[in-house]
Amino acid sequence: KQEVTQIPAALSVPEGENLVLNCSFTDSAIYNLQWFRQDPGKGLTSLLLIQSSQREQTSGRLNASLDKSSGRSTLYIAASQPGDSATYLCAVRPLSGGYNKLIFGAGTRLAVHP
Amino acid sequence: IAGITQAPTSQILAAGRRMTLRCTQDMRHNAMYWYRQDLGLGLRLIHYSNTAGTTGKGEVPDGYSVSRANTDDFPLTLASAVPSQTSVYFCASSDSPMTEAFFGQGTRLTVV
Repeated sequence: KQEVTQIPAALSVPEGENLVLNCSFTDSAIYNLQWFRQDPGKGLTSLLLIQSSQREQTSGRLNASLDKSSGRSTLYIAASQPGDSATYLCAVRPLSGGYNKLIFGAGTRLAVHP
Repeated sequence: IAGITQAPTSQILAAGRRMTLRCTQDMRHNAMYWYRQDLGLGLRLIHYSNTAGTTGKGEVPDGYSVSRANTDDFPLTLASAVPSQTSVYFCASSDSPMTEAFFGQGTRLTVV
């Protein structure tokens, strides 16, 4: 059974720091991995999608990497800002059992203070 | 703005009542999903639909039903609400397993 783990559960950093959020998954048989951002009381906003054949994807100050064989992904945020404060979720789409399911980690709650 | 619209935004519902959560997307995506998000349990799939006219059960389908009469709409019905169905419900869609999934803003449901 696919399980997704995110470490750390919470992170507090000063503005301007570069930081790394970690996501690990137990079964490497995936279509892709997607990173989301969720603000309190809001929906999920898609940040980056990495296909299983890709190593990384970049969008602005965000860079996500994928090492499928080791079951790991990282989300790198450069020059963090208070507006980056949110919960970050990763989710994998498994190859088996139909592609209809995204399996989510519990998230990393990020606070960037001025 | 293209995306997913959920209604209502929030609702307090008496136990035993029937309730339908609405979801509409304007991206012409083939697949649609309903998730519930609970503290400590994360996001769990309730039901899904790969294309109009088809539906399937997710991880936690009991007490819920869905229909997919057309591409755009995917309502979720609670036939007889129970307090354990208190949660935040998210509708999502994607065009294929290779493309991004997009989520609505959620419906906060409280069953009392």
